[in-house]
Amino acid sequence: DAKTTQPNSMESNEEEPVHLPCNHSTISGTDYIHWYRQLPSQGPEYVIHGLTSNVNNRMASLAIAEDRKSSTLILHRATLRDAAVYYCILRETGANNLFFGTGTRLTVIP
Amino acid sequence: NAGVTQTPKFQVLKTGQSMTLQCAQDMNHNSMYWYRQDPGMGLRLIYYSASEGTTDKGEVPNGYNVSRLNKREFSLRLESAAPSQTSVYFCASSDLTGPNYGYTFGSGTRLTVV
Repeated sequence: DAKTTQPNSMESNEEEPVHLPCNHSTISGTDYIHWYRQLPSQGPEYVIHGLTSNVNNRMASLAIAEDRKSSTLILHRATLRDAAVYYCILRETGANNLFFGTGTRLTVIP
Repeated sequence: NAGVTQTPKFQVLKTGQSMTLQCAQDMNHNSMYWYRQDPGMGLRLIYYSASEGTTDKGEVPNGYNVSRLNKREFSLRLESAAPSQTSVYFCASSDLTGPNYGYTFGSGTRLTVV
């Protein structure tokens, strides 16, 4: 599985934007970039995914670098409910697994 | 709008006992998965079922068996539980196995083997 690198932890103030970075320098041309988050004592929750273009949905935005070697998950206004571990995952064509690393633990400060 | 339902939510077993973890999804998804998560770690794939009638091993299959009972249900069985199987178990489903599809996870079963 192609690997991703994320900071272990980040902090954000409530109601401010949060930019969660992810490096994936060995990404191949057909790998999709997926983001999941896991709130305390819950299962992972799908957030967003993309291939080459930036993506927006009701939860977040995904900004993908032009060379695709990095991406950033953007939460436009952090709330206390956004405190979670965020996982950046590469999904390979034909792979039947989501490879979860240790993710970034986001703390939201009131 | 239940999504993925796992039962039980909590279980304590003695070493050597057996049990089956149940998982059901109501989204008409084709693919289903079993993961385990140990403290402070990411999830690891145990087994998956790409479609009804098929199952395949994942990253950590030893000590487990699975059954894809029908399109909705995918069960995980521990034949002889060991303390090393103490973990949180998550079931997930997806419409298809391709990389352009997201997974929906259940809320987990917290298993302790003493």
